[in-house]
Amino acid sequence: DVQLLESGGGLVQPGRSLRLACAASGYSFSDHAMTWVRQAPGKGLEWVSSISGDGESTYHADSVKGRFTISRDSSNNILFLQMSSLRVEDTAIYYCARMYCGNTACLGREMEKWGLGTLVTVSS
Amino acid sequence: SYVLTQPPSVSVAPGQTAMISCGGDTIGAYSVHWYQQKAGQAPVVVVFDGSDRPSGIPERFSGSNSGDTATLTISRVEAGDEADYYCQVWDYRSDHVVFGGGTKLTVL
Repeated sequence: DVQLLESGGGLVQPGRSLRLACAASGYSFSDHAMTWVRQAPGKGLEWVSSISGDGESTYHADSVKGRFTISRDSSNNILFLQMSSLRVEDTAIYYCARMYCGNTACLGREMEKWGLGTLVTVSS
Repeated sequence: SYVLTQPPSVSVAPGQTAMISCGGDTIGAYSVHWYQQKAGQAPVVVVFDGSDRPSGIPERFSGSNSGDTATLTISRVEAGDEADYYCQVWDYRSDHVVFGGGTKLTVL
């Protein structure tokens, strides 16, 4: 059974850093591109970052470019989101999601499986 | 940047048909995906590639995409369909994922 489990969220002060992790199980991790999506309290879904199955190609939303970095550890089947220079407006539930397939063309496909999310609160 | 526009809310009586639109410049040329998010839960894809349905999603859910509008249609609406619905595309010009603002479906 495919499972995605996010961790690493919590309360952090503005300007500090945090690293989120998404542990994947139940499938061949490298065969699927992965994406981070966030949702601020009471707001809609916002794309954050995506990465190809081989980890060679990464993409970031303009709102986080230069501050957030997506990466993956295929040996341990873990997706990461390194967040730095955090702002109050980064407060959100962060979801990891599996794309339908692995190569860069698959980034146009659907997010077929989602984790339950981890809450990040940026506040002084 | 590419923008997807959804109505904030749609209301429908049980048993009726709900249609949720997603507007975008020549969206008919894009592969559109639709997600359902019930309160307190993670999103679930209900339609992908404009009109395909994942296994386990009822046939009552269907999609279409042409010109400047994609549409999610839910037939014979049930109380359990009450949720927020989001459309999504991959914008190949910017290499960005784009979500619509979401539509809250209320079952009267």
